[in-house]
Amino acid sequence: QKEVEQNSGPLSVPEGAIASLNCTYSDRGSQSFFWYRQYSGKSPELIMFIYSNGDKEDGRFTAQLNKASQYVSLLIRDSQPSDSATYLCAVESGGYNKLIFGAGTRLAVHP
Amino acid sequence: DGGITQSPKYLFRKEGQNVTLSCEQNLNHDAMYWYRQDPGQGLRLIYYSQIVNDFQKGDIAEGYSVSREKKESFPLTVTSAQKNPTAFYLCASSIGPGVDYGYTFGSGTRLTVV
Repeated sequence: QKEVEQNSGPLSVPEGAIASLNCTYSDRGSQSFFWYRQYSGKSPELIMFIYSNGDKEDGRFTAQLNKASQYVSLLIRDSQPSDSATYLCAVESGGYNKLIFGAGTRLAVHP
Repeated sequence: DGGITQSPKYLFRKEGQNVTLSCEQNLNHDAMYWYRQDPGQGLRLIYYSQIVNDFQKGDIAEGYSVSREKKESFPLTVTSAQKNPTAFYLCASSIGPGVDYGYTFGSGTRLTVV
């Protein structure tokens, strides 16, 4: 069974700080990696995707991928209370755009 | 605006009853998916379809059935064989194989057994 592991949290950071969210995966053949944000009671929304080793930046968000270590992370700079949500890591596995999701990390940004 | 519409938003099922969750998309996406989410857990794949008239079982297909008669529609039936159906059900779509930009999700259906 292919797996995606995340620390469930909660991860608590002060407003303005950098939040670092981590994810490991078991399928070495995975090529595509995604971060979704899910507010309580709502559906997930895509915030970042990354395919190549290294960093990818989009505004306050940076995704980092290390395929050799089977590790993907999400950094949120200048964290805001509105960033408080559960962040789901998803990994493409088995082809056909099938995504395997981690259980999510709950982030709490306090003023 | 293009998107995915799930209905109903809330659904109550009696013991032994089959219920059908609707999922419609106007994004012209080939692939569609059904996931289940339980409290504090990630999404688990129930069924997926890459093309009309074809679908495959996911990791937790037992007690569920689907159809894909139209590109736009991928309804999920929760049968009486599903012993613990209370969960948040999410439908998603993607452009299709070879183009991997992730999923677009519907707003979800919350199913409760009464």
